[in-house]
Amino acid sequence: DAGVTQSPTHLIKTRGQQVTLRCSPKSGHDTVSWYQQALGQGPQFIFQYYEEEERQRGNFPDRFSGHQFPNYSSELNVNALLLGDSALYLCASSEGQLDQPQHFGDGTRLSIL
Amino acid sequence: DQQVKQNSPSLSVQEGRISILNCDYTNSMFDYFLWYKKYPAEGPTFLISISSIKDKNEDGRFTVFLNKSAKHLSLHIVPSQPGDSAVYFCAATNFGNEKLTFGTGTRLTIIP
Repeated sequence: DAGVTQSPTHLIKTRGQQVTLRCSPKSGHDTVSWYQQALGQGPQFIFQYYEEEERQRGNFPDRFSGHQFPNYSSELNVNALLLGDSALYLCASSEGQLDQPQHFGDGTRLSIL
Repeated sequence: DQQVKQNSPSLSVQEGRISILNCDYTNSMFDYFLWYKKYPAEGPTFLISISSIKDKNEDGRFTVFLNKSAKHLSLHIVPSQPGDSAVYFCAATNFGNEKLTFGTGTRLTIIP
């Protein structure tokens, strides 16, 4: 049973560029959430997708956008990259039921030069 | 505004002894709490959770205690093993929300 998978593992971009990160949820999970983890900090919630729609959003600018596909996989897009966007981006999936924990992938390490 | 706080950045414990990791929260709307463990180059792994209707939940060597009046929870690991060395994150949410709010983590080192 595959867990949450994310690609790519590492990515290097320059300021102003755009990036797309991908996530496949754990089998049986229909809800995908994205988090940003800066060095020395806990993960910060970006947004959550359910039934191909953004259900919740954290305190992140519109440069951060996402998409969920009919097979429940998801993409995170970041436009006009800033140096401060350098972080580990984590995807988490869940069954969408109450009191079920979110399961995380290993993340994509994004470095902005 | 840090709604979930882990005030100890690091903790060292002898193998076989008890490890106690602490977490405080300020948002009284939180009613579901989770602990995650993170190894380097891996994503957080779910350990144990507790809802606000309970004050204790056990799973093998791991026990989580919740004190709602103090807005405080703790994770007890006993006995501690070398494989427990990792960063531990406390997270909180409320039912129907699913957005997790994390603390900044505590690095636990188990000394053989």
